[in-house]
Amino acid sequence: NAGVMQNPRHLVRRRGQEARLRCSPMKGHSHVYWYRQLPEEGLKFMVYLQKENIIDESGMPKERFSAEFPKEGPSILRIQQVVRGDSAAYFCASSWPGQGNTEAFFGQGTRLTVV
Amino acid sequence: AQSVSQHNHHVILSEAASLELGCNYSYGGTVNLFWYVQYPGQHLQLLLKYFSGDPLVKGIKGFEAEFIKSKFSFNLRKPSVQWSDTAEYFCAVWMNRDDKIIFGKGTRLHILP
Repeated sequence: NAGVMQNPRHLVRRRGQEARLRCSPMKGHSHVYWYRQLPEEGLKFMVYLQKENIIDESGMPKERFSAEFPKEGPSILRIQQVVRGDSAAYFCASSWPGQGNTEAFFGQGTRLTVV
Repeated sequence: AQSVSQHNHHVILSEAASLELGCNYSYGGTVNLFWYVQYPGQHLQLLLKYFSGDPLVKGIKGFEAEFIKSKFSFNLRKPSVQWSDTAEYFCAVWMNRDDKIIFGKGTRLHILP
């Protein structure tokens, strides 16, 4: 059973370009979380999705950022018109529906560098 | 709003010292509790977890944590730390009403050799 897969592991974008980060949850998991980790800072919640639904996007910046988790395929975190301040590590975690024993499994992360 | 608080943002200890990292949450319902560790340059890994039963749980690498329901706490402990424990530690809580996992801001632990 493969773990949470994120790709690419490293992504370099020029200012103004778009960044697409992909997350394939573990098999059977229907919940996906995205977190951002800025240099020298902790893990910050961005968005929580279930299949085809955004449950909580309270941590998402109001502009340029969007996320989706379609019925088929990976979850996508999309950053439009990237700026230098978007440079960070973006981690995805997945879990199964909570029934008393849920836990989150993390991917290796995508390190975005905006030049 | 539900939240998870980690009291110490940055802890510095010498090798062989004892460690206790605090974690409190604000939610009165059913919870599952976790500690994750992130070694430098790596992703988050599960250190230990509590679902039910014995409130004292043991994890990998000699870590343990105690769930005290009356205090809404889940503190992480290790009797004797090693230089290789240098990492960032995150407390996380799953709350059944929201079916969502919330993380604390993390504690950076630096062990002096």
